[in-house]
Parts: sequence; structure tokens; C-alpha cells
Amino acid sequence: DTEVTQTPKHLVMGMTNKKSLKCEQHMGHRAMYWYKQKAKKPPELMFVYSYEKLSINESVPSRFSPECPNSSLLNLHLHALQPEDSALYLCASSQDQQGELFFGEGSRLTVL
Amino acid sequence: GQQLNQSPQSMFIQEGEDVSMNCTSSSIFNTWLWYKQDPGEGPVLLIALYKAGELTSNGRLTAQFGITRKDSFLNISASIPSDVGIYFCAGQQNTGNQFYFGTGTSLTVIP
Repeated sequence: DTEVTQTPKHLVMGMTNKKSLKCEQHMGHRAMYWYKQKAKKPPELMFVYSYEKLSINESVPSRFSPECPNSSLLNLHLHALQPEDSALYLCASSQDQQGELFFGEGSRLTVL
Repeated sequence: GQQLNQSPQSMFIQEGEDVSMNCTSSSIFNTWLWYKQDPGEGPVLLIALYKAGELTSNGRLTAQFGITRKDSFLNISASIPSDVGIYFCAGQQNTGNQFYFGTGTSLTVIP
């Protein structure tokens, strides 16, 4: 069983809605990640937080806003999304941005 | 960003057969990870490799860190139906760098 927990598992939202994806890990990891994945494609990195500070932003549109309230929690705030943003959003964590990378089960997002 | 090429892109095999897939890059990596992903689920870490030439097993799975540090290999012995899924490699060049993912190998096991 994964030790990275993501909620909700499924989310449907309109283009004017504001919603959030949540991620939690209790492995004591200090790096947390958001990835976006389209069907049958590899995960694409969006953001990396290291020691609660944003360390990598892969030029993600501002309609996606990450937040790391503490070392165990990672949120992704969504606003004014487009239908092409529909995808599986994966949270992951690792120790000190090295070593093994563990993924959550993902949040399936559909934008109407 | 870095591109990791996986081959083959897809495989259709009979139950009980062995499977081999690989991941190659034009750059050197210091860490290689192998994942299996089922539809609609997150990738599950199978094996992690940290040293050139390292050979690591996890049950019926064996992975190797290529001696050139530009490639890695995954073998599955005596395949079973639950091995079906997409297998991804991922590489990291240095601590603090991002993990780059391979293009994936889709495995179908025919009972």
C-alpha cells in the first residue's frame, strides 16, 4: 500500500470553479512533488517542494497554484482550468530530493 | 529536458515467458528507478539502483544499472497475468535534480 495519500480520487469541475487537490505523506520525507499524467504517457513534472520551499516550477500556468503548509502536506489549488487540463494528477515524495520516489494513487481530474 | 527511451514500446507474451525491457539515455544518471503502473492508479516503485553495474532483484523482477550509467534493464521471469501494466524507468542525474521518466513499456500477458 502506498504511504502517500491523495484526495479526492476523482474530481469533476467546470472551467469557472475553484477546487483543490490534497496530498499527505507520513514517511518523514522532505521533498514533495506534483506530476501531471495523460493516458499512456509518462508523468510530467509540475512542481517540487524541498523543505517546504518551492524548488522547481516547470513553467506551469498560473491557474495551477501549489502550496506546502508543512513537510507532510502538499496542496494543488485549481482555478479557471481548461478541458485540456483533464488528466491524472500524481503526488510523490522522496527523502531530500534524492533516492526513492514514492507516488500516491493519483487524483483523476475532469474539466468540463 | 532529458529524454529516456524505453524499448520495446509494447510487448505481448504468453504466461510463463520471461520479459526483458530497457531504458537508454544520452546522458549519465546516478540513480535509476523502475515502476509499474496499472490503469488509473499511481506508479508503484519496483526497484531502485544506485551504482553502475548493480544488479538488484525483487521477487521475479531483476534490474541492472548499466556500466556506462546511460542505461538500465528490467527482467521479469515466469510472467503471470498480474504483471500486465505499463512499466516506466526513471533516472536522476544528481541529488536535487528532477527525475526524468522513460516513455514506458506496455506489457500484456496472455493466459
